[in-house]
Amino acid sequence: QSVLTQPPSASGTPGQRVTISCSGSSSNIGSNVVNWYQQLPGTAPKVLIYNNDQRPSGVPGRFSGSKSGTSASLAISGLQSEDEADYYCVAWDDSLNGHVVFGGGTKLTVL
Amino acid sequence: QVQLVQSGAEVKKPGASVKVSCKASGYKFTSYFIHWVRQAPGKGLEWMGIINSSSGSTNYAQMLQGRVTMTRDTSTSTVYMDLSSLRPEDTAVYFCTRGGQNTFFDYWGQGTLVAVSS
Repeated sequence: QSVLTQPPSASGTPGQRVTISCSGSSSNIGSNVVNWYQQLPGTAPKVLIYNNDQRPSGVPGRFSGSKSGTSASLAISGLQSEDEADYYCVAWDDSLNGHVVFGGGTKLTVL
Repeated sequence: QVQLVQSGAEVKKPGASVKVSCKASGYKFTSYFIHWVRQAPGKGLEWMGIINSSSGSTNYAQMLQGRVTMTRDTSTSTVYMDLSSLRPEDTAVYFCTRGGQNTFFDYWGQGTLVAVSS
């Protein structure tokens, strides 16, 4: 299983607000920033949130991120059909000479 | 514009090796690290390792230690990922992605499918 824990699935109707959680430990989320990636079917992941709560240019303001202690979350407000995708949290882990750890991914379904 | 262009799909038999290339353009190659991330069919993302494009130093995921080797050629701005002793469970799409010693991956290659089957 993945070092970072995410729910395998989430869902919502258009216009709703959905949150996706990401739980880690002191060696990863507890001491490093969290980034979030969106992956549409058949494509490479795209950065959605970096440094816990920053949005790259071009990412709609409907997406927001937060971090507290050893957990992080991604919130999507005003859900749209095109938000249906897989979402991954990722953080650097300071153990074992440093390495990258991903969450298992959350498949978001827009009902 | 920044581009990472990967080599084409491969089909290998168990026990063989595969070498996937990732050619960078549109930026100063030696200013960034390259990470490799793979994704088995229907599964999540798995980090494989990182190479410093300037020094060539590497750091590999523990579960791949001894089987993976990452190298770079600064003259052609190309990074290579070599995976040996292939097993069916190595069947995946392999991505290279630009970053630093962090997890901010701003550009990705198109992915290379490696299929391992007897």
